[in-house]
Amino acid sequence: DQQVKQNSPSLSVQEGRISILNCDYTNSMFDYFLWYKKYPAEGPTFLISISSIKDKNEDGRFTVFLNKSAKHLSLHIVPSQPGDSAVYFCAASDMGSQGNLIFGKGTKLSVKP
Amino acid sequence: DTEVTQTPKHLVMGMTNKKSLKCEQHMGHRAMYWYKQKAKKPPELMFVYSYEKLSINESVPSRFSPECPNSSLLNLHLHALQPEDSALYLCASSQGRTDTQYFGPGTRLTVL
Repeated sequence: DQQVKQNSPSLSVQEGRISILNCDYTNSMFDYFLWYKKYPAEGPTFLISISSIKDKNEDGRFTVFLNKSAKHLSLHIVPSQPGDSAVYFCAASDMGSQGNLIFGKGTKLSVKP
Repeated sequence: DTEVTQTPKHLVMGMTNKKSLKCEQHMGHRAMYWYKQKAKKPPELMFVYSYEKLSINESVPSRFSPECPNSSLLNLHLHALQPEDSALYLCASSQGRTDTQYFGPGTRLTVL
């Protein structure tokens, strides 16, 4: 059973507009969430994280929002750039349980010039 | 600096070969990980080392054998692999077990 779900396998956005990537989770014990970006044949690159005591974390063009009651988080990229085109993985962990990361299946973002 | 390095970048091996994958980090991280990633799938955890001791082995077949010679190095020894073991093998490290994990570029393994 998937504990972390990214229901959109792909997303296409125009350059300069907002990209919104969504992630849902089922395990209420998860208390730390991360987004990774991955180019083909490379390892995931850490982007941004949020702990369950916050509902928003911002870093430059990237903002992560957490809605604990809905067990939902989203990554906003504003403005989107062609270099943002990659696969984005949502990951979650339960810090009380040694922090094993559980990854979603990823969303492929394409930003068109 | 959040660099994790992995060698080799690509590896092709036969089912009777013995080879090793290497991972190195100089960030002083005390936790290191091996993941396996198949095409169009998320990374799957294989092994976790914490303070150079194996703390998690996610039911990985014995043809994969991890080794942590010191706090900066992590190896994955491969023997008698199957074609279905072909995948991208990712190494990651973190300050502690519950801190952000940083990934290396991976080794693309093909088993013939």
